[in-house]
Amino acid sequence: QKEVEQDPGPLSVPEGAIVSLNCTYSNSAFQYFMWYRQYSRKGPELLMYTYSSGNKEDGRFTAQVDKSSKYISLFIRDSQPSDSATYLCAMGGGKLIFGQGTELSVKP
Amino acid sequence: EAGVAQSPRYKIIEKRQSVAFWCNPISGHATLYWYQQILGQGPKLLIQFQNNGVVDDSQLPKDRFSAERLKGVDSTLKIQPAKLEDSAVYLCASSFPGQPGEQYFGPGTRLTVT
Repeated sequence: QKEVEQDPGPLSVPEGAIVSLNCTYSNSAFQYFMWYRQYSRKGPELLMYTYSSGNKEDGRFTAQVDKSSKYISLFIRDSQPSDSATYLCAMGGGKLIFGQGTELSVKP
Repeated sequence: EAGVAQSPRYKIIEKRQSVAFWCNPISGHATLYWYQQILGQGPKLLIQFQNNGVVDDSQLPKDRFSAERLKGVDSTLKIQPAKLEDSAVYLCASSFPGQPGEQYFGPGTRLTVT
């Protein structure tokens, strides 16, 4: 079993839709949880960073962490074509472990 | 503020040849990471430096990969000899000490081994 599992997609939604991206993990020692966005042929870009269970909101993005279920989510409201990218979850207690990435396409 | 710089951006070599990648982290970031990202996968940590000391190199294939950060700033990653399975994007990232969750990545070097 991988330490971090992420559905690779691809996921295609119409502009304006709410997008839900998810990861599960097995290591209860993980202390911090991140979401990165990676455009084609670019390096990952940090979107959201949280230590604790609960929700964290930043504009159209909401990160949710449920440590009891070992499950994290990223919600994107009012999705835009510019949100089309691969979204990577990452987590750790020392070094980061990344998920496989979910490829998202938002159609105009 | 300048981001993480990497060069070259692309490299094509034949198997058994050697190759080197260079990284310049964000100013003030004492922690530097090298990752390997194979197509369709998430980045995998190869080595982590704190200043010029190695913190974690448990996933670095040491028979062929080496890395150094001699003055605690720039870093180089070398592969010698390269294998076909080394074809990947090599990403460099940096962070402040004690903030491993807030890593900033460079654009990566795309390596193709033929």
